[in-house]
Amino acid sequence: DQQVKQNSPSLSVQEGRISILNCDYTNSMFDYFLWYKKYPAEGPTFLISISSIKDKNEDGRFTVFLNKSAKHLSLHIVPSQPGDSAVYFCAASATDYKLSFGAGTTVTVRA
Amino acid sequence: DVKVTQSSRYLVKRTGEKVFLECVQDMDHENMFWYRQDPGLGLRLIYFSYDVKMKEKGDIPEGYSVSREKKERFSLILESASTNQTSMYLCASRQALPGEQYFGPGTRLTVT
Repeated sequence: DQQVKQNSPSLSVQEGRISILNCDYTNSMFDYFLWYKKYPAEGPTFLISISSIKDKNEDGRFTVFLNKSAKHLSLHIVPSQPGDSAVYFCAASATDYKLSFGAGTTVTVRA
Repeated sequence: DVKVTQSSRYLVKRTGEKVFLECVQDMDHENMFWYRQDPGLGLRLIYFSYDVKMKEKGDIPEGYSVSREKKERFSLILESASTNQTSMYLCASRQALPGEQYFGPGTRLTVT
């Protein structure tokens, strides 16, 4: 039973516009959330994270928002660039060693 | 920069063979992980190790075992490969909670 869900398998966005990726979770014990980016034939690379004590974290073009009451987080990419075309995974952890991943969202940035 | 390396990028094995996937990290990380990635399922945790010689089952350990004799090396073993173990296998390491995990490039395993 997947505890982290990314309900949109794909997203297409025009270059320069905002990309918004969504993620929902069911386990109320999750207290740390991460986003990873993955290109084909490469391992995932860490993008940005947020602790449950915050509701927003920003790093350059990437911002993650956390809504604990809704068990929902989102990743905003502004502005979107062609190099952002990749698969994005949402992940969450509780106070153990394990990360639970969503199924991923494939982002395509159109020129 | 953290570097996580995996012994093979592509591997083709026959059903019933014993398969070893090796992972090495160079940053003295405490924790190491093995995942498999399948379309529509994301990354699923097979096994993890929080210290040398320690191992814990993840969400899908059946058909797999692991070994961690040295801190930098974590091996995944498929005792008798089956076609449903055809997948992308990803190794990761992490210094400590709650930090991010660093991934290797992956091994695309095909079992025929």
